[in-house]
Amino acid sequence: DTGVSQNPRHKITKRGQNVTFRCDPISEHNRLYWYRQTLGQGPEFLTYFQNEAQLEKSRLLSDRFSAERPKGSFSTLEIQRTEQGDSAMYLCASSDNRGLVSNQPQHFGDGTRLSIL
Amino acid sequence: AQTVTQSQPEMSVQEAETVTLSCTYDTSESDYYLFWYKQPPSRQMILVIRQEAYKQQNATENRFSVNFQKAAKSFSLKISDSQLGDAAMYFCAYRYVGSQGNLIFGKGTKLSVKP
Repeated sequence: DTGVSQNPRHKITKRGQNVTFRCDPISEHNRLYWYRQTLGQGPEFLTYFQNEAQLEKSRLLSDRFSAERPKGSFSTLEIQRTEQGDSAMYLCASSDNRGLVSNQPQHFGDGTRLSIL
Repeated sequence: AQTVTQSQPEMSVQEAETVTLSCTYDTSESDYYLFWYKQPPSRQMILVIRQEAYKQQNATENRFSVNFQKAAKSFSLKISDSQLGDAAMYFCAYRYVGSQGNLIFGKGTKLSVKP
């Protein structure tokens, strides 16, 4: 169990640029979540995958955001035409595929901190 | 909509003493889970303790215990024998049983531990 891995750890970009983050969940975890955490706030749910299927998306996930999990393993989160308000920590979490989805604890990665200049 | 409120932005405790962090939540559901997560500075969030709403018995994990009051929708975390390594942000979180599993977090409480 190597834990949830996120890359890069920190991304600095100019407003208007596109950025992509990667998340590698714990192996054999088929459930994967993306959250956004702004300064002084708790994480807010963005989207959820079960295997390669994106089953839920928050209203926070505007049309500039897109997430994929093409083979049911790693996931990418892309933000197009970044804005100042996108500056945040983007957290990925994964959970076990046994039992009820709501019953399994989520294991978080270190996050990717996005800074928009 | 479900919400989670942590009314203490910051708390401080002396090493070896006991501290209680407060959390209240609002939901119309009867079956759900509650969690406390710890987020040390620049480190990943880890699960501290979990409580199933259908269980009356309060969860305990070593020095960490909860006081779950379902009728009052209150879920406080007690840390006994506080250690320097307990210093972190603590987040209370809620998850409805029928959901896809996404957590709803409070804003967090920053805990400082004084030597």
